[in-house]
Amino acid sequence: AQRVTQPEKLLSVFKGAPVELKCNYSYSGSPELFWYVQYSRQRLQLLLRHISRESIKGFTADLNKGETSFHLKKPFAQEEDSAMYYCALREPGGGFKTIFGAGTRLFVKA
Amino acid sequence: EPEVTQTPSHQVTQMGQEVILRCVPISNHLYFYWYRQILGQKVEFLVSFYNNEISEKSEIFDDQFSVERPDGSNFTLKIRSTKLEDSAMYFCASMQEQSSYEQYFGPGTRLTVT
Repeated sequence: AQRVTQPEKLLSVFKGAPVELKCNYSYSGSPELFWYVQYSRQRLQLLLRHISRESIKGFTADLNKGETSFHLKKPFAQEEDSAMYYCALREPGGGFKTIFGAGTRLFVKA
Repeated sequence: EPEVTQTPSHQVTQMGQEVILRCVPISNHLYFYWYRQILGQKVEFLVSFYNNEISEKSEIFDDQFSVERPDGSNFTLKIRSTKLEDSAMYFCASMQEQSSYEQYFGPGTRLTVT
């Protein structure tokens, strides 16, 4: 069965430190991978997706098919990055449902 | 910028009662979804809806659940006889088209079953 694993529930770093939020997935085909972010008292919103290979708010994520990973990275964390981050997998075709990981709360300390 | 809206923001109901959660997706979107998140747990897919019918549903979406798009703008989730374990945050989402990559989420409705 398809699955998304985020091993860390909480990640706490100091401002300016590098950040890596881990995500591993299991899926037999070619899924689409995403990172969603939820800031305090705001709705879930898309941060980035693997297809676009872009950097959003300084974050990047590379799909590693060999390791079935899609880790989210930022070289210098900012206080405003503090939020809940969800790695997600979307199955192509059908209803295009999204399967979420359990989420990692990132806390950036001043 | 258009947004998905949901009402109410918080619904309290007694066990066994019917509840209807409402969503207004973004107007030119074609795919609609319901997800739920039990407190402290992951966001779980419930159902997807396209072309006026369910395209996929999860094991959670049993006979107690139903969805409807009654008037071309609202998208509702009905739970016929609520159970304590239905207490969760329910998120609606919509997507423009098949080739689109982004599902836009609503702010959620917190359902509390007592």
